[in-house]
Amino acid sequence: SQKIEQNSEALNIQEGKTATLTCNYTNYSPAYLQWYRQDPGRGPVFLLLIRENEKEKRKERLKVTFDTTLKQSLFHITASQPADSATYLCALESTGGFKTIFGAGTRLFVKA
Amino acid sequence: GAVVSQHPSRVICKSGTSVKIECRSLDFQATTMFWYRQFPKKSLMLMATSNEGSKATYEQGVEKDKFLINHASLTLSTLTVTSAHPEDSSFYICSARDWTGASGNTIYFGEGSWLTVV
Repeated sequence: SQKIEQNSEALNIQEGKTATLTCNYTNYSPAYLQWYRQDPGRGPVFLLLIRENEKEKRKERLKVTFDTTLKQSLFHITASQPADSATYLCALESTGGFKTIFGAGTRLFVKA
Repeated sequence: GAVVSQHPSRVICKSGTSVKIECRSLDFQATTMFWYRQFPKKSLMLMATSNEGSKATYEQGVEKDKFLINHASLTLSTLTVTSAHPEDSSFYICSARDWTGASGNTIYFGEGSWLTVV
């Protein structure tokens, strides 16, 4: 069955460092991979979308890579800030499909 | 930018009663909306796909008669939890896709609705 794995353990880093979160998937050939931020008790907020034919995407301090061979995406936050503390969700979507499958998310804590 | 509004944000109801949650796309039309359920520290679980003007498509294991979905207009979908039980207590989130946005495929989520059945 289709499966998305994100590190269930929280990631603790120091302010100013780069946070790297991992998303691995199996039994799936996504056309798009998306990353969302979710704060406690709130709905997810869209951050970045990367297509299967793209290797890397950047937006301000955020960078996403997509390796369809490894079936893995890495999400980087450079110069991290305490305000970046949240849960980050990885989501996959197939071509022409409407269904988006979400990972359980990784909780990030950035210490001042 | 595109916004999805969800109401109410919190609701408490008695066992056996029904509760309705609304999901609105505020500045774009959404022919398709999605309803999710999320347990603490768990991923979003898709419950159903709401289609404007037609019946919703439910995921396996989701009771259609329990979770009634109506998508009467291009900007509004409702989820009604009928005959609610304490095990229905959860965080319910809706989303809608904006095909006209810069990314051409952006999903916007509502703020979620906390349902507590007592």
